[in-house]
Amino acid sequence: EVQLVESGGGLVQPGGSLRLSCAASGFTFSSYWMSWVRQAPGKGLEWVAHIKNDGSETDSADSVKGRFTISRDNARNSLYLQIHTLSVDDTAVYFCVREVFGGYFYFDHWGQGVLVTVSS
Amino acid sequence: DIQMTQSPSSLSASVGDRVTITCRASQFISGYLNWYQQKPGKAPKLLIYAASKLHIGVPSRFSGGGSGTDFTLTITSLQPEDFATYYCQQTYITRYTFGQGTKLEIK
Repeated sequence: EVQLVESGGGLVQPGGSLRLSCAASGFTFSSYWMSWVRQAPGKGLEWVAHIKNDGSETDSADSVKGRFTISRDNARNSLYLQIHTLSVDDTAVYFCVREVFGGYFYFDHWGQGVLVTVSS
Repeated sequence: DIQMTQSPSSLSASVGDRVTITCRASQFISGYLNWYQQKPGKAPKLLIYAASKLHIGVPSRFSGGGSGTDFTLTITSLQPEDFATYYCQQTYITRYTFGQGTKLEIK
């Protein structure tokens, strides 16, 4: 069974930093692109960033470019999101997502999400 | 970025009804369109990928159609568990974008 379990969220002050982690199991992690998607309270879904299966390519949304860094450790079956210079607009649930990338592209498995709250 | 616009934003229907949700892309996206269902407090679930392909385990009352810029998600014979929020997503360009969501409520 595919499992994605996020951790590392919490309450952070504006301007602070945080690193989110996602532990993957039940599939060959090194074979899949992975993404982070976030959802502000009561709002819709926003794709944040993704990373190629071998870590050689990444891309991110303009809204987070330069502040968020996606990375992975295939030996540890783990995905990460390093977040810098947090603002209140970054308050959201952050989902770790497995991405099917080939032919057509879609998100077939999601973690339960981790809440990041930015507040003074 | 490609903008995705869903309509309606909310919809009231009854068990057994047939409903259709529309998603329009701001530019051509071929068939790179996915649909997700999200219930309160839960992660989204994939329903339809590549505009019309049913994901494993999704009931056949869900169907998707369209290509280019205009797409639909149709649910025939609504069941109680179908009341949720639905999102479309384009994956034609890798700055993936979602629609704003359609909340399907019980009438």
